[in-house]
Amino acid sequence: KAGVTQTPRYLIKTRGQQVTLSCSPISGHRSVSWYQQTPGQGLQFLFEYFSETQRNKGNFPGRFSGRQFSNSRSEMNVSTLELGDSALYLCASSRGGAQLNTEAFFGQGTRLTVV
Amino acid sequence: KQEVTQIPAALSVPEGENLVLNCSFTDSAIYNLQWFRQDPGKGLTSLLLIQSSQREQTSGRLNASLDKSSGRSTLYIAASQPGDSATYLCAVQGGSYIPTFGRGTSLIVHP
Repeated sequence: KAGVTQTPRYLIKTRGQQVTLSCSPISGHRSVSWYQQTPGQGLQFLFEYFSETQRNKGNFPGRFSGRQFSNSRSEMNVSTLELGDSALYLCASSRGGAQLNTEAFFGQGTRLTVV
Repeated sequence: KQEVTQIPAALSVPEGENLVLNCSFTDSAIYNLQWFRQDPGKGLTSLLLIQSSQREQTSGRLNASLDKSSGRSTLYIAASQPGDSATYLCAVQGGSYIPTFGRGTSLIVHP
């Protein structure tokens, strides 16, 4: 059974550019969540998508956005990149739905460096 | 607002020791608590998921307990091995669907 796949694994961008990260969840999982991990702030929740709808959103500026496709694959976009956006971006998938007690499975992450 | 604290922040032990990692949370109205392992620069690997109605879960040398009323969970690692070296994170999930993570315990098991 394939795990959660994130692409690309590494990315270097310049300040002011925009970037799109991709996440393919485990087959059958309909919920995809995105997290930002930095040494200073730890793991912070960005947003969660379920059945193509954003169900929850963390406390991040509007430069961070996402979407989910009908096959549950998700993309995250960051516009007007800042140096502080350098981080490991993690995607997690779960079965989701009304049942909250579902295990989350994480991808290997995308390491974004903004220069 | 839920806050999750993990103690200790770092731990270095010789191989073979039994370990206890602690996780505390401020809001006891949770649906579940999950323990993860993270190797440097990598994603998170789920270790154990404890539902709010459960008191403990076991997997191999790992045992996690949950005391909702006191807002505490412990992860017990028996007979530690160098391959157990990693950062261990706990996360709690309440009714908001948004999990809250602790900052983790960085574990080094030396031969």
